[in-house]
Amino acid sequence: DIQMTQSPSSLSASVGDRVTVTCRASQGISNYLAWYQKKPGRVPKLLIYAASTLQSGVPSRFSGSGSGTDFTLTISSLQPEDVATYYCQKYTSALWTFGQGTKVEIK
Amino acid sequence: QVQLVESGGGVVQPGRSLRLSCAASGFTFSSYGMHWVRQAPGKGLEWVAVIWSDGSNKYYADSVKGRFIISRDNSNNTLYLQMSTLRAEDTALYYCARNQWLVPLDYWGQGTLVTVSS
Repeated sequence: DIQMTQSPSSLSASVGDRVTVTCRASQGISNYLAWYQKKPGRVPKLLIYAASTLQSGVPSRFSGSGSGTDFTLTISSLQPEDVATYYCQKYTSALWTFGQGTKVEIK
Repeated sequence: QVQLVESGGGVVQPGRSLRLSCAASGFTFSSYGMHWVRQAPGKGLEWVAVIWSDGSNKYYADSVKGRFIISRDNSNNTLYLQMSTLRAEDTALYYCARNQWLVPLDYWGQGTLVTVSS
């Protein structure tokens, strides 16, 4: 089975900072990679799919890149409402594995 | 509007069974793959199972394979998860979610809580 590994597990940044979260697949997954935002008590929200396609309604400060095994989620200017845990997920073949999550906080 | 409403959660003893349901509305249910995803207290998201739009294929996480069965009733727009031989580590909030071809989980239900405890 393909494993998804995110780094870092948590980060703290200031409002306005550029924030980057990395996700690595143990085998190539082309661009079948999604990013979700999960806030406590809220339903997970799809941010990006196909590695770089922004889901409708998601602010443009969120972006994704990568292909194969290495992927990145970038928040260009961190806002207070972006405090959440972010998960990558691969959606090739049968198993739709999530990464372990990256918790983003405000410094 | 798209709605996914889970039900069936509760407190159950280890080794017992439970069936979750997810009632869908606001979209053509039979055109979408459907998933169960769970989140244990203080833990991350864990994908559990998927069933294709026509029910022809089903896949499971290793952690539930052989114990859980995903199914659907396209005539009643309902997704199910039959959970057997439940363990304490199955305690979680269980979400249903949909996907369409090449687009992952774009709508999620609010979740139903399953607690496995004696």
